[in-house]
Amino acid sequence: NAGVTQTPKFQVLKTGQSMTLQCAQDMNHNSMYWYRQDPGMGLRLIYYSASEGTTDKGEVPNGYNVSRLNKREFSLRLESAAPSQTSVYFCASSVGWGLAAIGGNEQFFGPGTRLTVL
Amino acid sequence: GIQVEQSPPDLILQEGANSTLRCNFSDSVNNLQWFHQNPWGQLINLFYIPSGTKQNGRLSATTVATERYSLLYISSSQTTDSGVYFCAVESWAAGNKLTFGGGTRVLVKP
Repeated sequence: NAGVTQTPKFQVLKTGQSMTLQCAQDMNHNSMYWYRQDPGMGLRLIYYSASEGTTDKGEVPNGYNVSRLNKREFSLRLESAAPSQTSVYFCASSVGWGLAAIGGNEQFFGPGTRLTVL
Repeated sequence: GIQVEQSPPDLILQEGANSTLRCNFSDSVNNLQWFHQNPWGQLINLFYIPSGTKQNGRLSATTVATERYSLLYISSSQTTDSGVYFCAVESWAAGNKLTFGGGTRVLVKP
């Protein structure tokens, strides 16, 4: 199993450009998440998808959109990139959001995408 | 929302030393995870430990949910233990989403 994969690994954009970050998991997990990590800080939740067909805002959703394409894939789109969106983006997945009693909320992370917006 | 504080913020160890990292949280939680972020940026799951004690090799963790803290023990540290250790919690009050602490940066010197 590859676990959680993300593409691309690195990306440089100019202000105003758009791009989509891709995430896929092969663990048959129901829930998927997008986080950003700024230098010297912990991760902050951007958007999440508790199950296929649903998406919800996290702590810092402004400037982003997401699509839960199917059970495996969850993409993050920047419509008009800004320098404040320079960050490392992590995708994660878990068995089932809200299934804490059976360990369903343990999250597993992808390798990250390092994004620079000039 | 729930607050998560980790201490110390930085830790320098000589190889072979033992250490304890602490995570305090401000509300009841139903999930707590410890991660190691290695120097290449990868987040490695260490423990899923909403309560009780678990051990994995030289690492162990204890969560005392009623007192709202968790401890991560590193014994006989090795240079490969260097990196940042994050605690993350999930609570009903925060809508079951993980909230991360600021991390403890560990450097193990040979």
